[in-house]
Amino acid sequence: AQSVTQLDSHVSVSEGTPVLLRCNYSSSYSPSLFWYVQHPNKGLQLLLKYTSAATLVKGINGFEAEFKKSETSFHLTKPSAHMSDAAEYFCVVSEEYGNKLVFGAGTILRVKS
Amino acid sequence: GAVVSQHPSRVICKSGTSVKIECRSLDFQATTMFWYRQFPKQSLMLMATSNEGSKATYEQGVEKDKFLINHASLTLSTLTVTSAHPEDSSFYICSARAQGVRGNQPQHFGDGTRLSIL
Repeated sequence: AQSVTQLDSHVSVSEGTPVLLRCNYSSSYSPSLFWYVQHPNKGLQLLLKYTSAATLVKGINGFEAEFKKSETSFHLTKPSAHMSDAAEYFCVVSEEYGNKLVFGAGTILRVKS
Repeated sequence: GAVVSQHPSRVICKSGTSVKIECRSLDFQATTMFWYRQFPKQSLMLMATSNEGSKATYEQGVEKDKFLINHASLTLSTLTVTSAHPEDSSFYICSARAQGVRGNQPQHFGDGTRLSIL
């Protein structure tokens, strides 16, 4: 069975400082991993995905994530936070070649000016 | 690319009404669409997987007679909440997965429908 643990329910950073959103996963298969962002009352937008190619994945809006199998982690980072980054972020795991997504509980990112 | 349109964005209606929500993939063909429910301050819960031309697969605890799903074409799936009651009030989100040659194609999400039953 797969599971995802987002280690922080809330993260607060100042504008211009680095962002780190932590995610650990558990999967019996070679996992596909995703990060999605959700702004209030909106659907989810795909930030990036890992599907067993390069372990460092670059996404949209300057975000990137590194797949570390030994640590079963897939943390999301951004060098410099922008006010528009304030949103909720979901780490998601999917079984290989499967459809079912398993969502983490989400991390709300707050960006202070 | 990979745009999913969900309509309506918000519905407010009386108890007992049936509500239909549409999910369309605008620029790609989706053999599989998914319906999620999100309660306030919680993550998404998969309700059902909708496959074009076949019956939907419902997750445990989801009433198929309550939440009717139709996936009549490669670009459209509908969710009908039948005889809705206040406890059905929630944020419903659809997603669509493109046909892929191989591998795990990501799901692309609509903007969601806020359903409020009075």
